[in-house]
Amino acid sequence: GDSVTQMEGPVTLSEEAFLTINCTYTATGYPSLFWYVQYPGEGLQLLLKATKADDKGSNKGFEATYRKETTSFHLEKGSVQVSDSAVYFCALSAATGNQFYFGTGTSLTVIP
Amino acid sequence: DGGITQSPKYLFRKEGQNVTLSCEQNLNHDAMYWYRQDPGQGLRLIYYSQIVNDFQKGDIAEGYSVSREKKESFPLTVTSAQKNPTAFYLCAIQAADNQPQHFGDGTRLSIL
Repeated sequence: GDSVTQMEGPVTLSEEAFLTINCTYTATGYPSLFWYVQYPGEGLQLLLKATKADDKGSNKGFEATYRKETTSFHLEKGSVQVSDSAVYFCALSAATGNQFYFGTGTSLTVIP
Repeated sequence: DGGITQSPKYLFRKEGQNVTLSCEQNLNHDAMYWYRQDPGQGLRLIYYSQIVNDFQKGDIAEGYSVSREKKESFPLTVTSAQKNPTAFYLCAIQAADNQPQHFGDGTRLSIL
């Protein structure tokens, strides 16, 4: 069946460092892919999305490219800030039906 | 997210007691979901509903019940049969297949 695998954390970076959080997926057809962010005590917020191969989703300096050939959707940011400290979830919406799959989440801490 | 409201934000349950968590939406979305999140963990699907008066069990439905009498409301009851109810509960809505899910701010349930 469909699934999402993302790198385990926690990840700790210094402010202004480069961020990569890896996400790979298994799916039939052409799913849509998403990154969500969760701040402490809050719900998940949609960060960015991509609906077809080679699409690049971007928001607030974060980017991720839908790579069909490597079945990946890695999250990147060129210069992280302390305010980016949160848990990040990769997710997949199946091509047919409305099944939704989440990765296990990656905790990011950015230190000044 | 705007348009989806969970209440209360904090809830306490006594032993042997049923409690009901509220989830309301005003975006006219058909699909609604309940997830459970334990500390430092990902999301686990409890129940979902794609249409009024119909709902399906998710991965961890035991000890929980739901109803979908109105399109805008999808309450979750945590019954006394759920022996470990302490968790963060998240409600989500989805407009259509392949679209992102949007989350409420969550309800934190604790045992007294």
